[in-house]
This record gives sequence, structure tokens and C-alpha cells, in this order.
Amino acid sequence: AQSVSQHNHHVILSEAASLELGCNYSYGGTVNLFWYVQYPGQHLQLLLKYFSGDPLVKGIKGFEAEFIKSKFSFNLRKPSVQWSDTAEYFCAVLNQAGTALIFGKGTTLSVSS
Amino acid sequence: EAQVTQNPRYLITVTGKKLTVTCSQNMNHEYMSWYRQDPGLGLRQIYYSMNVEVTDKGDVPEGYKVSRKEKRNFPLILESPSPNQTSLYFCASSPTWGSGYLAAFFGQGTRLTVV
Repeated sequence: AQSVSQHNHHVILSEAASLELGCNYSYGGTVNLFWYVQYPGQHLQLLLKYFSGDPLVKGIKGFEAEFIKSKFSFNLRKPSVQWSDTAEYFCAVLNQAGTALIFGKGTTLSVSS
Repeated sequence: EAQVTQNPRYLITVTGKKLTVTCSQNMNHEYMSWYRQDPGLGLRQIYYSMNVEVTDKGDVPEGYKVSRKEKRNFPLILESPSPNQTSLYFCASSPTWGSGYLAAFFGQGTRLTVV
């Protein structure tokens, strides 16, 4: 079965620090990958997605992610975080049938001002 | 405004009392789905629907029912809720599914507590 691993459970950063959240997926074929953000008390919002093409994907709010097929990874990055980036971040992969998103367990990001 | 609307947002109920959580989307999406979110487990799919009258089980369907009689609505039914169904529930919709899958739009969530 496909799975997604997010290595960091809780990340604490100061404002202006750089961010990298790890994500690894298990399936070796064609993959559709996503990063979602969930601000406190809110629903999930799509940050960015990768289907094919350029492995460096740019999303909203200054986030980007790099797809590295050889490492089965899709890490999320941001050069300089802000207090407003405090949220929970989920990596997800579309299952092979295309009928479900398989989510990682999430990473909580806390940014101090 | 394009949105997925869930009701209620918060619900406290007692074991065994049937309840329905409604989900409605205004984007004419074919695909709709229900997930539950539990601490340390991320989101897990309960049921999904590829179109009207077409539904199928996700990873954790036990104790839940769904129906898709209209394209815009996809209610989640708990016939006899139990405390282990205490969770945060999200409805999601997408224009399509399969290789044409674009991204999911999520509702605001329903926090259910079963005592």
C-alpha cells in the first residue's frame, strides 16, 4: 500500500529562518504529490502540487517544493518564514486509482516573532 | 464563491444516537469524499463518490454510511455513533478523479464528539 512519511512532527523556528519539511512517499511509479496547510481551526488549503514536468514547484505564500524521484522525496521549503506561517502542514500523494489522497501524519510548524 | 460547506461545524452527541453531517459543493464537481482527522494519524479517507449514485469505501469505512443522490450533496451518516468516532471530519470535492485529478477543495470541518 502507498504511504507518506513526514519526518518532523513539530518544528519550531524564529521569524526569517529558512524552512524545510521532509516528505517521502512509498510508490515508485508515476506520482501526483501535494502539500496542504491547515491554519489553526481552519480547513486544509492547497499550497502546491506536482504532477509532471519541472521538479521544482512553486506554490502560494512563497512556498516551493522539489520532487526528487531517486529519493522518493517531495520536500517543502520556504527561504524566510513569518509568524503567520504557524500551521500544520500535510504532504499527500494521490493513490494509484486516483480516488483518494494519502496523507502523511503532518508537521506542526511554530514560528516565534 | 466556490466552496464546500459542511454542517454542523460542531456536534456533541451520545452513543447510539443516529446523526448526519451534511456536505454541499457549488462547483459542479463530480468527485466528493469524506476524511477523518485524528491527532498523529493525519487524514484518512472514509468514503468517496465518483458521481451521482456511485460511492465506494475508503480506508476506514466501518460505522459510516454515505449517499449521493444529487451531484452537489454528499452526506455522511453515522447510524449508531460510538466514542471512537470522535474526530474532526472533512468533506472534499474535486472536478474529477483518476489521472485527471486536479486538487481537492476541503470544507471547514465538523468536530464531532461522541460521549
